[in-house]
Amino acid sequence: SQTIHQWPATLVQPVGSPLSLECTVEGTSNPNLYWYRQAAGRGLQLLFYSVGIGQISSEVPQNLSASRPQDRQFILSSKKLLLSDSGFYLCAWSVKRDRVYEQYFGPGTRLTVT
Amino acid sequence: DAKTTQPNSMESNEEEPVHLPCNHSTISGTDYIHWYRQLPSQGPEYVIHGLTSNVNNRMASLAIAEDRKSSTLILHRATLRDAAVYYCILRYGYNQGGKLIFGQGTELSVKP
Repeated sequence: SQTIHQWPATLVQPVGSPLSLECTVEGTSNPNLYWYRQAAGRGLQLLFYSVGIGQISSEVPQNLSASRPQDRQFILSSKKLLLSDSGFYLCAWSVKRDRVYEQYFGPGTRLTVT
Repeated sequence: DAKTTQPNSMESNEEEPVHLPCNHSTISGTDYIHWYRQLPSQGPEYVIHGLTSNVNNRMASLAIAEDRKSSTLILHRATLRDAAVYYCILRYGYNQGGKLIFGQGTELSVKP
């Protein structure tokens, strides 16, 4: 069965510090991978998605970047965090089933920028 | 992406059926209707999807209007564990790597 891991689970970082969040998927190959952010309250915002190694699509302009150095690894980074970067960061992977993609989400990383 | 409209919140009693509505009047012929739910402090989880016909799975049923401009997610017997935010999302089947654009969803509370 497939498993998705995210770490760390929680993170407190000062403004201006760098960020690296990692996501790995087990039990599948060549998955589509996604990074979402959820600010306080509801509403998930899609940040990046990747359909293969080195292929990254950015959905919104911001001071974050993503990389996919290996097939099942997806990394979210920032050189200098802003207060507005606080939120719940979710990684997801998808598989095509019945002509559509079902997405499966990781446990998330709760980031607080102080 | 076609837009969906859902009530902001709904309440239900435990062990009663729940009907969560979703309007999508601008749906196109190739848009699939997806439902996800997000329990507190967790990532969303897939619930069900459909195109034209009603669908059933172990979690829920999806009733799709004949003109496809609305749909209803049906939880047959609500439990306290069903309290979550439910998202109705339209996606073109093959578009752009399967990305999902979430709206605000419906927050379902279940009373014992």
